[in-house]
Amino acid sequence: EVQLVQSGAEVKKPGESLKISCKGSGYSFTNYWIGWVRQMPGKGLEWMGIIYPGDSVTTYSPTFQGQVTISADKSISTAYLQWSSLKASDTAMFYCARHEGDGYNTLEYWGQGTLVTVSS
Amino acid sequence: QSALTQPASVSGSHGQSITISCTGTNSDVGSYNLVSWYQQHPGKAPKLIIYEGSKRPSGVSNRFSGSKSGNTASLTISGLQAEDEADYYCCSYANSNIRIFGGGTKLTVL
Repeated sequence: EVQLVQSGAEVKKPGESLKISCKGSGYSFTNYWIGWVRQMPGKGLEWMGIIYPGDSVTTYSPTFQGQVTISADKSISTAYLQWSSLKASDTAMFYCARHEGDGYNTLEYWGQGTLVTVSS
Repeated sequence: QSALTQPASVSGSHGQSITISCTGTNSDVGSYNLVSWYQQHPGKAPKLIIYEGSKRPSGVSNRFSGSKSGNTASLTISGLQAEDEADYYCCSYANSNIRIFGGGTKLTVL
């Protein structure tokens, strides 16, 4: 069974750093793109970027380029999303999702989400 | 890239059909038959209901169907049921390995 399990909710202060994770199981982690999706409170889904764990090739949405870093450790089948200096506007739910199919635009498997709250 | 354009809300009566549009450009929706659609209930992760324009994943009701014309993709839900009340999002492949979501549509079943 394919599963993506994300790390737990985080409460941080502005300026702090953070790294959240997404662990894949039940499939060959290195052979599928993993992407991150942001959902701010009461708002829609926003595609942030994608990584291919096999070789760590990464693509970012222009909106998020330079704001976050996406990485992966294929030895432990885990993808990461990190911030070096959080802002209050980073408060959101973050989902990871496996990208597959033609054009890798089929997101059938999703993590449960990680809620990040940034507040002083 | 800007978000794909979806109506903010649609409504329909139980048993009726509704269609949600998703309008992009000839750099995304218009160039690829790769639009996927997601259903999201409050507090839940999104669920894939249509991929590659018109294909349904295993287990998704055949009341859900997808299509495309030019730069606009559409999701049609027939025989509306109470459990269809949710937010719906389209997502398209765009250039340079980028994906773009629509702004989302809230479906109300009357």
